[in-house]
Amino acid sequence: GNSVTQMEGPVTLSEEAFLTINCTYTATGYPSLFWYVQYPGEGLQLLLKATKADDKGSNKGFEATYRKETTSFHLEKGSVQVSDSAVYFCALSDNSSNTGKLIFGQGTTLQVKP
Amino acid sequence: DAMVIQNPRYQVTQFGKPVTLSCSQTLNHNVMYWYQQKSSQAPKLLFHYYDKDFNNEADTPDNFQSRRPNTSFCFLDIRSPGLGDAAMYLCATSAAQGYGYTFGSGTRLTVV
Repeated sequence: GNSVTQMEGPVTLSEEAFLTINCTYTATGYPSLFWYVQYPGEGLQLLLKATKADDKGSNKGFEATYRKETTSFHLEKGSVQVSDSAVYFCALSDNSSNTGKLIFGQGTTLQVKP
Repeated sequence: DAMVIQNPRYQVTQFGKPVTLSCSQTLNHNVMYWYQQKSSQAPKLLFHYYDKDFNNEADTPDNFQSRRPNTSFCFLDIRSPGLGDAAMYLCATSAAQGYGYTFGSGTRLTVV
């Protein structure tokens, strides 16, 4: 079945450091891929998405490229801020159904220190 | 602004006492989802509605039910909450596959 695997956290970085959070997936067909961010006590917010191979999603300085050959969608940011501290979820949309339900990875906690 | 609204943000219920969580949307999306998220875990899909069609996940306990009286509203009913049902419950909507979801802020349920 479809699944998403993320690198384990917590990831602790100093402000302005480079961020990579790895995400790989297993899917039949051609899923859409997403990164969601969850701040403490809040729901999930869509950070970025890519709907086909080689697409790059970007938002707020974060980027991720849909790599079909390596089945990956790694999240990167060149210079993190304290306000980026949150839990990040990689997800895929099961496009085999018309509802496109999301399957999430286990989440990666990012802590950015001043 | 178009959005997904969950009420209440925090709900305390007694062990075994039925509780209902509500979700409303102004996006006019066809699909509405309910997820359960326990501490430090990924959200787990309980069920979803595509218009009026209800789709239950195979491992969702019978204790969890849902109603969608119209496009805008969807309810999660927990018939007999147990201590293990304490979690954040997230409602989300989607227009169609591949577009991602819009999430509400969630309802944190405590069972005492």
